Amino acid sequence: DAKTTQPNSMESNEEEPVHLPCNHSTISGTDYIHWYRQLPSQGPEYVIHGLTSNVNNRMASLAIAEDRKSSTLILHRATLRDAAVYYCIRGTSYGKLTFGQGTILTVHP
Amino acid sequence: EPEVTQTPSHQVTQMGQEVILRCVPISNHLYFYWYRQILGQKVEFLVSFYNNEISEKSEIFDDQFSVERPDGSNFTLKIRSTKLEDSAMYFCASSEQGPPNYGYTFGSGTRLTVV
Repeated sequence: DAKTTQPNSMESNEEEPVHLPCNHSTISGTDYIHWYRQLPSQGPEYVIHGLTSNVNNRMASLAIAEDRKSSTLILHRATLRDAAVYYCIRGTSYGKLTFGQGTILTVHP
Repeated sequence: EPEVTQTPSHQVTQMGQEVILRCVPISNHLYFYWYRQILGQKVEFLVSFYNNEISEKSEIFDDQFSVERPDGSNFTLKIRSTKLEDSAMYFCASSEQGPPNYGYTFGSGTRLTVV
């Protein structure tokens, strides 16, 4: 049970921002929110993670709602190479990542 | 950028045979994991390993499976007697610090085909 809910698919145009939503209404106070992505025929790739505050790195930004029941992964300018399955995952102790179906992001040129 | 290296990239084996999948985690990482993905399905957790012992394992990781860090650099997954349903992509991952406040680096995977 992934315990996160994401849309099955989203589409974007190249060079435009993309906001990928995730609901995690049953999240506990100590669970981090992790985002990974998986390009075709590759292993999952770490994107970003956070606990309460918004986070930025070279790949993306993560906006976490104040009540922590939802979060949004923001790709500031989508490229064709960003086409992938994006997974929102609750990070638990011992490192078990429970992957759901994720959101298939299609980027149009 | 440091990588997790997995070999072989593709392995074909006969049902009932033993296979060993190999992984070289990033050198300063201390936490190691195996995941698998059956074609068209979700990525599934198999096992986590720290300080030379298993930290957590899933229901999939039964007595057929074992993991080992034989020489301080390699991390292996052994399947003793392969079944058709073991056909999948197997991903190794490592992290520098313990979960949950750390990201993992995954390898590119080994495609295991059991015939």
